[in-house]
Amino acid sequence: RKEVEQDPGPFNVPEGATVAFNCTYSNSASQSFFWYRQDCRKEPKLLMSVYSSGNEDGRFTAQLNRASQYISLLIRDSKLSDSATYLCVVNTLVYNQGGKLIFGQGTELSVKP
Amino acid sequence: DGGITQSPKYLFRKEGQNVTLSCEQNLNHDAMYWYRQDPGQGLRLIYYSQIVNDFQKGDIAEGYSVSREKKESFPLTVTSAQKNPTAFYLCASSPSGQIRFYNEQFFGPGTRLTVL
Repeated sequence: RKEVEQDPGPFNVPEGATVAFNCTYSNSASQSFFWYRQDCRKEPKLLMSVYSSGNEDGRFTAQLNRASQYISLLIRDSKLSDSATYLCVVNTLVYNQGGKLIFGQGTELSVKP
Repeated sequence: DGGITQSPKYLFRKEGQNVTLSCEQNLNHDAMYWYRQDPGQGLRLIYYSQIVNDFQKGDIAEGYSVSREKKESFPLTVTSAQKNPTAFYLCASSPSGQIRFYNEQFFGPGTRLTVL
């Protein structure tokens, strides 16, 4: 089982739609969580951190469920410019290495006119 | 402007040759990282360095080497011992040498290495 799992998609949605991605992680010792966005053939960029209480940034909402070990990202009113791959990232304590970022393979989103 | 630079953007090499990828940051970050990304896969950690003159192996260090002689620079050498070197290589940095729980990483633009 992968340490961080995501549905690779692609998710094809029309402009204005609401879309949600889930991500599961296997290590219950994981301490912090992030969503990164990666455009085609570019580097990942931090979209938002995910806090225990959930957090919102404009059209984007991130939720964390520690009991079920999953993270979600909700995008409302999708724009064409939201088309990208969304990476779920988990910071997990590794013995003798401190915290270590584990990346999911990413979920591809394509927003159509 | 503060940021992370990687060069070159594209690199072609013949099989059996060593090649060094450059990574420089002017963010005054203590920690730096090298990842490899293959199509359809998540980023995999090659090497990381929490402080100058110190570095540790990541999950896939075989066939790679690094150095950290200056805080700003963390070059990666892909040696001939690396069996499948063709990939997208990403360098990242984070503020603290002590990897804390909420320490996000910032990425450079990447180098696409193709071994012919």
